[in-house]
Amino acid sequence: DGGITQSPKYLFRKEGQNVTLSCEQNLNHDAMYWYRQDPGQGLRLIYYSQIVNDFQKGDIAEGYSVSREKKESFPLTVTSAQKNPTAFYLCASRLAGDQETQYFGPGTRLLVL
Amino acid sequence: QKEVEQDPGPLSVPEGAIVSLNCTYSNSAFQYFMWYRQYSRKGPELLMYTYSSGNKEDGRFTAQVDKSSKYISLFIRDSQPSDSATYLCAMMKGGSEKLVFGKGTKLTVNP
Repeated sequence: DGGITQSPKYLFRKEGQNVTLSCEQNLNHDAMYWYRQDPGQGLRLIYYSQIVNDFQKGDIAEGYSVSREKKESFPLTVTSAQKNPTAFYLCASRLAGDQETQYFGPGTRLLVL
Repeated sequence: QKEVEQDPGPLSVPEGAIVSLNCTYSNSAFQYFMWYRQYSRKGPELLMYTYSSGNKEDGRFTAQVDKSSKYISLFIRDSQPSDSATYLCAMMKGGSEKLVFGKGTKLTVNP
């Protein structure tokens, strides 16, 4: 059963805490992405990675970090430097050569306690 | 001016109606145009994509791109309650990794 999985579904962060959101895909896709969605807003790109061990900043990378040690995994860390982390976080992936089709995971909702 | 403008609605229609959803954009470099459907608290699902100008039809859905007017549309025929969702337009320049999204239009189809 191929697809993109994100965990956890809900995540609570205390002030000053770093938290990591998981994204795994078994589609053998090359590129992976992290987006943030706020209520009434479109999706905004945080980071993306086209190949293993390489990633680029998106439009709102400040306060976030990523790694891409394996092709199928692209975890996102929300650091304490991100002052407004409450949002819906979406991971996506794409096959190389298939530029127009990004497939999204089910999302992680992050809330600050 | 935002790169992509989309009326957030909400839009409420009776079952069986034809629905028209629209986006305008300002960047003439956009070449790929997509429509995503997003159910509440779920990830977006790619409905249709179009390269450059023209129409594309898939079942009850038709996507149109008018690059001269910088205007894209999604038409839903014979709308069903299961079509109730938020519809997001997205666009991308050729050779780019960045999708630029509209804010989404929330659609409710009433039985």
